[in-house]
Amino acid sequence: QVQLQESGPGLVKPSGTLSLTCAVSGGSISSSNWWSWVRQPPGKGLEWIGEIYHSGSTNYNPSLKSRVTISVDKSKNQFSLKLSSVTAADTAVYYCAREPSLSGTFDLWGRGTLVTVSS
Amino acid sequence: EIVLTQSPGTLSLSPGERATLSCRASQSVSSSYLAWYQQKPGQAPRLLIYGASSRATGIPDRFSGSGSGTDFTLTISRLEPEDFAVYYCQQYGSSRGFGGGTKVEIK
Repeated sequence: QVQLQESGPGLVKPSGTLSLTCAVSGGSISSSNWWSWVRQPPGKGLEWIGEIYHSGSTNYNPSLKSRVTISVDKSKNQFSLKLSSVTAADTAVYYCAREPSLSGTFDLWGRGTLVTVSS
Repeated sequence: EIVLTQSPGTLSLSPGERATLSCRASQSVSSSYLAWYQQKPGQAPRLLIYGASSRATGIPDRFSGSGSGTDFTLTISRLEPEDFAVYYCQQYGSSRGFGGGTKVEIK
């Protein structure tokens, strides 16, 4: 079955760029699914960051749009997140998730990876 | 931007009791594009309900969703031990956004 796995540095310096990758296994990233990033600060709620289709089309959370880039690498069956100019407020568990056919809901999630912003 | 407010923040109940969770939107959620998720400590969220009232694959029928417009409810008819968790509502009628969550804890 399809699985998602996040990877990337667990520590990023303030003002730097957070970079994460989500590997899709057991299925093709070029299916009719959209692929999203969602984050959760420690002890807090969920925040949708943005999404991408295998064609490269993207949608972003307006509150983060100026700092976010989501890209797809079909040859590696993975998609990536870059968040620039990070501060301590960006410390969170970052999840990648599958959104079937732009349905708006997330039916499959990765296990999440904690990214801490600190000097 | 649609803001979702969940209440109560914490619900203290015993196994076997009925749980009623509320999610109120700051403006109408189009076409009932409202979902519910369950999250247990250290785990990713799990989709329970979509379209306000449709259960996702494999979700027990003790979970039910209702509502439209700005007021939505998740009901757990009889709490099982594995149901004690945090529950989030999510709207997808205008971009995507989550509520702040309701923790269902053992009384």
